Amino acid sequence: DTAVSQTPKYLVTQMGNDKSIKCEQNLGHDTMYWYKQDSKKFLKIMFSYNNKELIINETVPNRFSPKSPDKAHLNLHINSLELGDSAVYFCASSSERVGGNTIYFGEGSWLTVV
Amino acid sequence: QQPVQSPQAVILREGEDAVINCSSSKALYSVHWYRQKHGEAPVFLMILLKGGEQKGHEKISASFNEKKQQSSLYLTASQLSYSGTYFCGTALRPTSGTYKYIFGTGTRLKVLA
Repeated sequence: DTAVSQTPKYLVTQMGNDKSIKCEQNLGHDTMYWYKQDSKKFLKIMFSYNNKELIINETVPNRFSPKSPDKAHLNLHINSLELGDSAVYFCASSSERVGGNTIYFGEGSWLTVV
Repeated sequence: QQPVQSPQAVILREGEDAVINCSSSKALYSVHWYRQKHGEAPVFLMILLKGGEQKGHEKISASFNEKKQQSSLYLTASQLSYSGTYFCGTALRPTSGTYKYIFGTGTRLKVLA
């Protein structure tokens, strides 16, 4: 069983569209994250949720809206997609508020905006 | 604010050693090391929690100097499978009870036969 799963794995869409990426973890973790990895391979945190509560919200355009229906799910909705949104988006989870525990990553969602 | 890793890239022959450094301008609570293969997600290698702590994982080990806000990853007798991009991940000390977890700039390592 995949510990952190995200869908879709690949997404090609046109500028201006709205899209969502879903993430689920079956590890029983209480903290989930979204990271963006750009073409230069930099991994940047976007959002962090602990028990459905937003605890980190980096400087991300408000076109990006995370939604956590329960602590096992953290979805990412993106409105009015732009070319610069093309990247790999990783969902991740850990068992506490990022103290000493490992972060487990999903396989990534490759988003291409054309 | 992002931890800086050095070198940015390194090419090795099989059997050679390498050191990857991670330096932060902020006080650190812990340091994690990850390796990412092309087209895949980062995979956890090890975590260091205490200042001065050193950990080992087969021929890969790491140290954490909390005072200097630095960590180093040591790869000895490198193998082809070590190729990938290495990231340090750091949990910054909380100011309000919540940690902030960010990744370093990355080091691309290529091992040649």
